[in-house]
Amino acid sequence: EAGVAQSPRYKIIEKRQSVAFWCNPISGHATLYWYQQILGQGPKLLIQFQNNGVVDDSQLPKDRFSAERLKGVDSTLKIQPAKLEDSAVYLCASTWEGGTEAFFGQGTRLTVV
Amino acid sequence: QKEVEQDPGPLSVPEGAIVSLNCTYSNSAFQYFMWYRQYSRKGPELLMYTYSSGNKEDGRFTAQVDKSSKYISLFIRDSQPSDSATYLCAMSDGTSYDKVIFGPGTSLSVIP
Repeated sequence: EAGVAQSPRYKIIEKRQSVAFWCNPISGHATLYWYQQILGQGPKLLIQFQNNGVVDDSQLPKDRFSAERLKGVDSTLKIQPAKLEDSAVYLCASTWEGGTEAFFGQGTRLTVV
Repeated sequence: QKEVEQDPGPLSVPEGAIVSLNCTYSNSAFQYFMWYRQYSRKGPELLMYTYSSGNKEDGRFTAQVDKSSKYISLFIRDSQPSDSATYLCAMSDGTSYDKVIFGPGTSLSVIP
C-alpha cells in the first residue's frame, strides 16, 4: 500500500514570497490533515479536511495560509506571503473516516530566509 | 498549562537498557492514546495505539495509560541503536471529527 506522498521535500524561499505544498493521501482515506512542525516541537494541526470539506481550520493563519482539497483526494497548502517564522516542516497525514490513527508523509521542510 | 506535556530530553541510554518515556495531559476527555516514532528528517510513524486505561504490549514496546492520573508511558525493553529517534505522544477525544493533539516529543539516543 502506497503511503502519503508529499512534494517538494525541501524548499527555500525569501520572506514575502509565496510557496505551495502538495499532498496525495493514502487511497481511500477520507480525512486529511496538514500539520506544522517547528524544530524541537510536536506537530501542530493547521487544517483538517473530511473529503473535500474543511472540518477544523481554527489554527490556520488565514491571513497568509490557505488550503484546498478539490475532489476530496489531493490537497495543496499555500503560504502567501511567507514570514521567517513559517520555517518548519509541513506534514500531511491521512486516515479513514472516523479513524484516529494518522499516517504521515515525510513532510516538506520549508526554510524562509 | 499546555494540553499535552512531555520531557523533551535528550535522553541517552546504553544499548540493552529499559527506556521509560512519559507524557502528562490536562484534558480528561482524551480517550485514545498513541505513541509515534519520528526518525530525523522523516514523518512520524505510529508505534502504539491504546484506548482508555490499561496496558498494551507489542514486542519490546509496552504502552501504559493511567487516566486517573492523566499520565501515559511508553516502555522500551532491550533498547537498540535503531530505537534512536524522537518519540511523540499523541491523544484524542475520539469525537466524530476529532483531531490528534501531539506532545513536543522526547529525543532518545541508544548508545551501542
